[in-house]
Amino acid sequence: DQQVKQNSPSLSVQEGRISILNCDYTNSMFDYFLWYKKYPAEGPTFLISISSIKDKNEDGRFTVFLNKSAKHLSLHIVPSQPGDSAVYFCAARDNAAGGTSYGKLTFGQGTILTVHP
Amino acid sequence: EAQVTQNPRYLITVTGKKLTVTCSQNMNHEYMSWYRQDPGLGLRQIYYSMNVEVTDKGDVPEGYKVSRKEKRNFPLILESPSPNQTSLYFCASSSTGTDLGTQHFGDGTRLSIL
Repeated sequence: DQQVKQNSPSLSVQEGRISILNCDYTNSMFDYFLWYKKYPAEGPTFLISISSIKDKNEDGRFTVFLNKSAKHLSLHIVPSQPGDSAVYFCAARDNAAGGTSYGKLTFGQGTILTVHP
Repeated sequence: EAQVTQNPRYLITVTGKKLTVTCSQNMNHEYMSWYRQDPGLGLRQIYYSMNVEVTDKGDVPEGYKVSRKEKRNFPLILESPSPNQTSLYFCASSSTGTDLGTQHFGDGTRLSIL
């Protein structure tokens, strides 16, 4: 059972416009969420994160929004640039401190973002 | 330069022939983890380690072994590889505490089991 889902396999946007990548989760024990970006032939790189006690975190052109009641998070990229074209993974940390799941990280399937010049 | 190094980067082998993929990090991180990436399934965690001599199963541990004898190294062992373990594998590390999760990844190891 996929506990973290990215239902859009791909997204195409025009340079300068907003990119919105979505992620849904089912496990209420997740309390820390992250986005990673991955270029071909490289490992994922950390992009931005958000704790469950917040509903928004911003870093330059990247903003992550968390809606706990809907178990939904999204990544907004504004403005989008061609260099943003990559696979984006959302991930959730099961932070049951002291429990056997502490340290587990669950990823979504990924969304391929293509930004056209 | 801070990095996570995996070896080999590519390997083609046959069913049943034991293999080890090495992973080393130079950031003195306590936490290390192995993932496999498969089309349509994203990244799935195989094993993770919170510190030396402490390892735990991720979501897909079957068919894999790990050890953490030193802080910098976290090898992934396939005792009897099978074709369904053909995949792209990533090792990652991070500090623990609030940074746990903001992991540094290696560049991946592509394994083909024939």
